[in-house]
Amino acid sequence: ETGVTQTPRHLVMGMTNKKSLKCEQHLGHNAMYWYKQSAKKPLELMFVYSLEERVENNSVPSRFSPECPNSSHLFLHLHTLQPEDSALYLCASSQNNNYFYEQYFGPGTRLTVT
Amino acid sequence: GNSVTQMEGPVTLSEEAFLTINCTYTATGYPSLFWYVQYPGEGLQLLLKATKADDKGSNKGFEATYRKETTSFHLEKGSVQVSDSAVYFCALSGGSGYALNFGKGTSLLVTP
Repeated sequence: ETGVTQTPRHLVMGMTNKKSLKCEQHLGHNAMYWYKQSAKKPLELMFVYSLEERVENNSVPSRFSPECPNSSHLFLHLHTLQPEDSALYLCASSQNNNYFYEQYFGPGTRLTVT
Repeated sequence: GNSVTQMEGPVTLSEEAFLTINCTYTATGYPSLFWYVQYPGEGLQLLLKATKADDKGSNKGFEATYRKETTSFHLEKGSVQVSDSAVYFCALSGGSGYALNFGKGTSLLVTP
């Protein structure tokens, strides 16, 4: 148990559906992250929030929309996805001051787009 | 920019064998270095870390030493168990940007 929870753990959705992934951290951290992990590919950083502001967005398609309502919660809203978006989506959090420390990961949401 | 290079897997070992997974890095400044482990069906867990040159991180029998002269952070374990079967990721922080730079991961399979 890392102190970062993600729901749902598994999600199957059609290309026309809208769904949301939820992440919650219980560690008192001030930064949260979304990563995409696809088979045979390196971890891809998608979004970074620091103090509830988006500070990094790595050319992610607009069909992925993040939301960070407070420092403990992070959402990833999904709409009109493509089959190649099927992957494990990992949330992480860290305590960032002037120096960036280790990140703690949730168990991930396994997304399948049909 | 910063980057991490890990040895290609998969690595297959018999139980009680010695493990080394190589990791080298390129970075400006003074990064911190990490090893993460991912068990099947789970997220990444921090295994160990080192924040400055010559530091040794250790946990659960795993060790890695931050070698600035060779820009390396190799993971070692003296006697692996079947339960160590997982994917191991080397990572660094401290460069520009907010995220960790991860290696591609090395898959380890330990057989009885």
